[in-house]
Amino acid sequence: QSALTQPASVSGSPGQSITISCTGTSSDVGNSNVVSWYQQRPGKAPQLIIYEVSKRPSGVSNRFSGSKSGNTASLTISGLQAEDEADYYCCSFAFTNTWVFGGGTKLTVL
Amino acid sequence: EVQLVESGGGLVQPGGSLRLSCAASGFTFSSYTMNWVRQAPGKGLEWISYINTISANRWYADSVKGRFTISRDNAKNSLWLQMNSLRVEDTAVYYCVRDSHYAFDYWGQGTLVTVSS
Repeated sequence: QSALTQPASVSGSPGQSITISCTGTSSDVGNSNVVSWYQQRPGKAPQLIIYEVSKRPSGVSNRFSGSKSGNTASLTISGLQAEDEADYYCCSFAFTNTWVFGGGTKLTVL
Repeated sequence: EVQLVESGGGLVQPGGSLRLSCAASGFTFSSYTMNWVRQAPGKGLEWISYINTISANRWYADSVKGRFTISRDNAKNSLWLQMNSLRVEDTAVYYCVRDSHYAFDYWGQGTLVTVSS
């Protein structure tokens, strides 16, 4: 149950787009259509922003989008806003009937 | 409004036990699978346990297997996590989490468990 690999930090200016990668293996991301992404602001519980690789829950901005290629999933945030500054985590359901999270990525809006 | 309210956290010595509770409201609890996810101070998220709607399937992360037990009572809209043989590395905020489509769609506010002598 090794953690998925995410960059520790990414940054961007308001209005720009950024992409956060999430790399796993063929035992999780590579053979899973149930990759999800979470936003966590300081001191708060995580919030689901993407599920099943690319679907957005009701109420989540369409500036957030997800995709997957091979063993790597990606979260793209377009039109960066100051309120997007947070930690982002990917997660995948794995063959071992477990869920595995990424280590998290800190997004800084410059 | 979906609400998940955890309780039962606190300070416990290594080797000790603690039972976390989660009170659910605002949705049909018996229709949803539930999980516990934890977050050590300053660290990332770690899934630790799952239970299906009728308690027939319970899954655990290797890090807690054999020490933690998840349970639920649909009549009481409640979820529990019995934690035994606690270790310093179990120190974390523990979240009660609903899942839908294998994604964690609602989270409680968390309860802090500190394992220290």
